[in-house]
Amino acid sequence: DIQMTQSPSSLSASVGDRVTITCQASQDISNYLNWYQQKPGKAPKLLIYDASNLETGVPSRFSGSGSGTDFTFSISSLQPEDIATYYCQQYDDLLRTFGQGTKLEIK
Amino acid sequence: EVQLVESGGGLVQPGRSLRLSCAASGFTFSDYAISWVRQAPGKGLEWVGFIRSKAYTGTAEYAASVNGRFTISRDDSKSIAYLQMNSLKTEDTAVYYCTLEAGDYWGQGTLVTVSS
Repeated sequence: DIQMTQSPSSLSASVGDRVTITCQASQDISNYLNWYQQKPGKAPKLLIYDASNLETGVPSRFSGSGSGTDFTFSISSLQPEDIATYYCQQYDDLLRTFGQGTKLEIK
Repeated sequence: EVQLVESGGGLVQPGRSLRLSCAASGFTFSDYAISWVRQAPGKGLEWVGFIRSKAYTGTAEYAASVNGRFTISRDDSKSIAYLQMNSLKTEDTAVYYCTLEAGDYWGQGTLVTVSS
């Protein structure tokens, strides 16, 4: 199985800050990577697909980049409603795998 | 509007079986692969498996943790996907979500608790 290593596991930032989360794959996954946002008690929401494509309706402050094994997810200006846990997921391998998640909190 | 609605969760004893359903509407169900993802209480997301559309063989793939115990199937005439869970273990306790394989639509989840 492909292992996805996300960092940090938790992050505290202020409203307006730029926030960055990284995800590293244990082998080359090209750009077959999704980023999700999950709020407590809710299903995950797809934000970014194919590593850098913004899902329809998602605010432009969210972005993704990377290919191969190293990926980055960013929020350009953190808003209070962005408080959530964020996950990466690879879909290069038949056996899809998620990162362990990054819990984002407001400082 | 695309909707996925899971049902069938509940309390079950270790070693027993349970079948979850995922009822779909708002799209041509037979054209899409369906995935199952679970989340243990307070933990992260775990991919369980997916079933391809019949146009792409209709076969399924499974995570190692459930392979041989869980089976995903589909009834395109009813627009329902199923997750048959056998030989349940306490560590299978989780909220189970069904999702389009692309990840763009998810159900609300159904809680499965495996406990004696």
